[in-house]
Amino acid sequence: DGGITQSPKYLFRKEGQNVTLSCEQNLNHDAMYWYRQDPGQGLRLIYYSQIVNDFQKGDIAEGYSVSREKKESFPLTVTSAQKNPTAFYLCASSIDSFQETQYFGPGTRLLVL
Amino acid sequence: GENVEQHPSTLSVQEGDSAVIKCTYSDSASNYFPWYKQELGKRPQLIIDIRSNVGEKKDQRIAVTLNKTAKHFSLHITETQPEDSAVYFCAARWVDSSYKLIFGSGTRLLVRP
Repeated sequence: DGGITQSPKYLFRKEGQNVTLSCEQNLNHDAMYWYRQDPGQGLRLIYYSQIVNDFQKGDIAEGYSVSREKKESFPLTVTSAQKNPTAFYLCASSIDSFQETQYFGPGTRLLVL
Repeated sequence: GENVEQHPSTLSVQEGDSAVIKCTYSDSASNYFPWYKQELGKRPQLIIDIRSNVGEKKDQRIAVTLNKTAKHFSLHITETQPEDSAVYFCAARWVDSSYKLIFGSGTRLLVRP
């Protein structure tokens, strides 16, 4: 899991603003994932990518967008359409989607001003 | 639908006692069940996992049992220590094109010295 980094650690969003969360991995993993964690709740899947240049919606994709132009990078944009963005965002990766073990990044806490 | 239920939501034990956390899942085809430990503000860390071809797996003080017929699995921590205090999440892998993990809502374990 030390091979996955997320930045920034804290991010503040103004109303109507789009913000982008960074996720980078140097593990040569094909699959990457974005989760949202709210207090007292489990992790919910936002988007996932099984291979570069491909990504799929997860369970709560509305108000979010992603790209996967490089194998090592999977940025998440929280758009103004996401009305309740305050949460802890976790990125994860696995060797590929068939290899079950997912390794998590340190997370980004997004707060709304 | 896709669902993993986890109980209890909070668990307080005396140091040295055992702790048991239980999860049930809805997809009978699920074949991979990891457990993650998350300390406050940190990333989830995989502590143990089990696949559907085995019924029990141990790693020092931690064990996981799986009952596929009943669709439930449990985490057992023996000889608990204060550093075991954290939030524990179970998950089950969904067997469709996504191979995604569905997480339980978490158990906050407090080990009292």
